[in-house]
Amino acid sequence: NAGVTQTPKFQVLKTGQSMTLQCAQDMNHNSMYWYRQDPGMGLRLIYYSASEGTTDKGEVPNGYNVSRLNKREFSLRLESAAPSQTSVYFCASKGQRGGNTGELFFGEGSRLTVL
Amino acid sequence: AQSVTQPDIHITVSEGASLELRCNYSYGATPYLFWYVQSPGQGLQLLLKYFSGDTLVQGIKGFEAEFKRSQSSFNLRKPSVHWSDAAEYFCAVGSGGYNKLIFGAGTRLAVHP
Repeated sequence: NAGVTQTPKFQVLKTGQSMTLQCAQDMNHNSMYWYRQDPGMGLRLIYYSASEGTTDKGEVPNGYNVSRLNKREFSLRLESAAPSQTSVYFCASKGQRGGNTGELFFGEGSRLTVL
Repeated sequence: AQSVTQPDIHITVSEGASLELRCNYSYGATPYLFWYVQSPGQGLQLLLKYFSGDTLVQGIKGFEAEFKRSQSSFNLRKPSVHWSDAAEYFCAVGSGGYNKLIFGAGTRLAVHP
């Protein structure tokens, strides 16, 4: 059982380039999330999708767009990458067991460097 | 706005010693509280969670945490630390009907033999 799968695991971009991080989960979860992790700042929520067909901004959405392609997949796009977007990105998903009491399941992360 | 504070950035303990990692939260309603652990190069794994009921919750790997509403705290404890516990630990609070999880900055634990 793969859980949450992110691709790519590593990527180097030049300033101004665009790219999309892909995320897929095979647990039939309703909610999916994108976080970024920076030293000393923990994980900050970029965007989330509480259910298929909906997306909402998190704490740090500027410079990013998302697409909830279907129930399984939630992609994160950087239209014009900036050095400040150098980070480790985590995708996560959550089921709806017991009325919003499920845990988040995380992917292994995608390390992005913007030069 | 909801927030989580982990006052200790780094903690070093000797193997076999007890451990307490601090977490304070700011949230208007009854919070959903979590502790996650992250080993180097890995994603996050849930250690334990609190939603309601007994304020002392048990988790995996011998960890426990106590919810204290009066202190807005949810500290993580382990009676005897093992070298394999060296990792980064994150406290988190669920908000927005628990559609969003807000994380603290993390505490990096080092374990000396």
